[in-house]
Amino acid sequence: GAVVSQHPSRVICKSGTSVKIECRSLDFQATTMFWYRQFPKQSLMLMATSNEGSKATYEQGVEKDKFLINHASLTLSTLTVTSAHPEDSSFYICSASPYTGGNSPLHFGNGTRLTVT
Amino acid sequence: QKEVEQNSGPLSVPEGAIASLNCTYSDRGSQSFFWYRQYSGKSPELIMSIYSNGDKEDGRFTAQLNKASQYVSLLIRDSQPSDSATYLCAVAHSGGYQKVTFGTGTKLQVIP
Repeated sequence: GAVVSQHPSRVICKSGTSVKIECRSLDFQATTMFWYRQFPKQSLMLMATSNEGSKATYEQGVEKDKFLINHASLTLSTLTVTSAHPEDSSFYICSASPYTGGNSPLHFGNGTRLTVT
Repeated sequence: QKEVEQNSGPLSVPEGAIASLNCTYSDRGSQSFFWYRQYSGKSPELIMSIYSNGDKEDGRFTAQLNKASQYVSLLIRDSQPSDSATYLCAVAHSGGYQKVTFGTGTKLQVIP
């Protein structure tokens, strides 16, 4: 159980274009999902917390107008990288938990490798 | 600032040996602790979770937690080449949402 699906797994786009990444919880409902970014040889950095039916909460230093998050249902959150630039090239991973309590581990999607040319 | 620290490695162990991975954290209010395994180019996979002091065993894996020392470890017995990966220590803080801080990971190499 607790399967998180992410799509696409890999995307290449041109500088200045926008890219949408989808994250779905397949066998549970997730009122909260988390978006992480991981640069090569670095750890996962939380970008934002996606809340169903309300605005996302962004971590310090993450531009909310550049990384648009929509959590329209209990099983789907989307991250749109707007006006992408080469420095946005990274591994983006979403995560969610079937439970909201602090003792519930996160389950990760398979990640999206974004390359901006 | 909440920090989770790990030795980046690589930690090399021969096949069949015990691999010991260590992690320290700075936030005394941390409540939940997790170990994830991440293969190159893949997303993290949950290996173990531990919430109270002491040891927790699951198959070849044993997680150890010492909140007084702010220390958590993962032991892998009978290490296999397939265990070669980066192991991420993750700490969840007190207060509601499951906001987790990850360490930078320890790269484990199991030598056949």
